[in-house]
Amino acid sequence: DAKTTQPNSMESNEEEPVHLPCNHSTISGTDYIHWYRQLPSQGPEYVIHGLTSNVNNRMASLAIAEDRKSSTLILHRATLRDAAVYYCILRDPAVSGAGSYQLTFGKGTKLSVIP
Amino acid sequence: IAGITQAPTSQILAAGRRMTLRCTQDMRHNAMYWYRQDLGLGLRLIHYSNTAGTTGKGEVPDGYSVSRANTDDFPLTLASAVPSQTSVYFCASSRGYYNEQFFGPGTRLTVL
Repeated sequence: DAKTTQPNSMESNEEEPVHLPCNHSTISGTDYIHWYRQLPSQGPEYVIHGLTSNVNNRMASLAIAEDRKSSTLILHRATLRDAAVYYCILRDPAVSGAGSYQLTFGKGTKLSVIP
Repeated sequence: IAGITQAPTSQILAAGRRMTLRCTQDMRHNAMYWYRQDLGLGLRLIHYSNTAGTTGKGEVPDGYSVSRANTDDFPLTLASAVPSQTSVYFCASSRGYYNEQFFGPGTRLTVL
């Protein structure tokens, strides 16, 4: 399976933009890039996903490099509620069996937001 | 009910006891999942069900069983709990196997 690499931790000031990087140099052509986050003492929460083009939704934006070997999750204006662990996950819809169901969470990036 | 609920919120259990963790969703999702989360290991899939009446094994199924009698409920049973099953357990659901997964609040289980 293609792996992802994220920084262990990042800090941001409240109301500033945050750029969370993810490297996935062995990504396959059919891997989608998914982002989830986990707030303290809660279950993970879906944030956004994409394949090749940049994506926007109400929570965040996803910028995908042209060669797809890296991506960046962008929070446009960090709030205290955005303090969480952010996970970058690759999912291939062509995979069969248990692997197609599982979200493979790494260690993620712990984002701290400073008031 | 809105989304996914899990019960109990937390439990302390003696080793060797039987325990069932409950999970209910009201989104009419076809697929449901059980994960465990341990410090330093991230979330790992225990069992899954892609539709009512079917179940499958995930990455760490040993010591656990599941059933999916209907769309809404997906209980996880520990037949004879052991201390290594001390963990936080998350139930999740998704419309289809590849759609975004929605997670419950978790059950913190301690086996002594």
